[in-house]
Amino acid sequence: RKEVEQDPGPFNVPEGATVAFNCTYSNSASQSFFWYRQDCRKEPKLLMSVYSSGNEDGRFTAQLNRASQYISLLIRDSKLSDSATYLCVVDMGGNEKLTFGTGTRLTIIP
Amino acid sequence: GAVVSQHPSWVICKSGTSVKIECRSLDFQATTMFWYRQFPKQSLMLMATSNEGSKATYEQGVEKDKFLINHASLTLSTLTVTSAHPEDSSFYICSASSPNRGGSYTYEQYFGPGTRLTVT
Repeated sequence: RKEVEQDPGPFNVPEGATVAFNCTYSNSASQSFFWYRQDCRKEPKLLMSVYSSGNEDGRFTAQLNRASQYISLLIRDSKLSDSATYLCVVDMGGNEKLTFGTGTRLTIIP
Repeated sequence: GAVVSQHPSWVICKSGTSVKIECRSLDFQATTMFWYRQFPKQSLMLMATSNEGSKATYEQGVEKDKFLINHASLTLSTLTVTSAHPEDSSFYICSASSPNRGGSYTYEQYFGPGTRLTVT
């Protein structure tokens, strides 16, 4: 089983729609959780940290379910600029060493 | 967010030569930086942790004599790929952690723009 597992997609979604991504992680002792986005041939950019209580930033909502070892990202009112690969990232040891999922490719269609 | 820079952004070198990549945290001090590698269509893989003032720690399977890391100051880490071969061609990305001022976690990690290395 991969340490951090994501549906690779691709997800092709019409502009304005709502899209949700899921991610599971293998280590129940994992400490910190993040969503990054990566554009083609660019570095990952931090989208949001994921907190136990769930958190929202504008059109983006992240949730964490520790019991199920599951993280989600919801994007509402999707825009063309949301097209990217979304990376689920976990700090498993609490030592700032990040483990990346393979990413979910999202394309927003006009 | 915090800013991390990398130089060069791309480099082409001949097999057998060495290449040095610099990673700088521009608006914060980083006692720890990280070096990752990403092959096409794959996820980022951590290579090593760069510690200011001490030796780097390498992940399993990464040759420390081939990938030399120096963390000379709180804002600069360098990765030298020695005797590069075509199989070392990859996207090398550094990151640094900046204190998270507002959230539940103590840090957030930011990435440099990456260095695309091609060994011919």
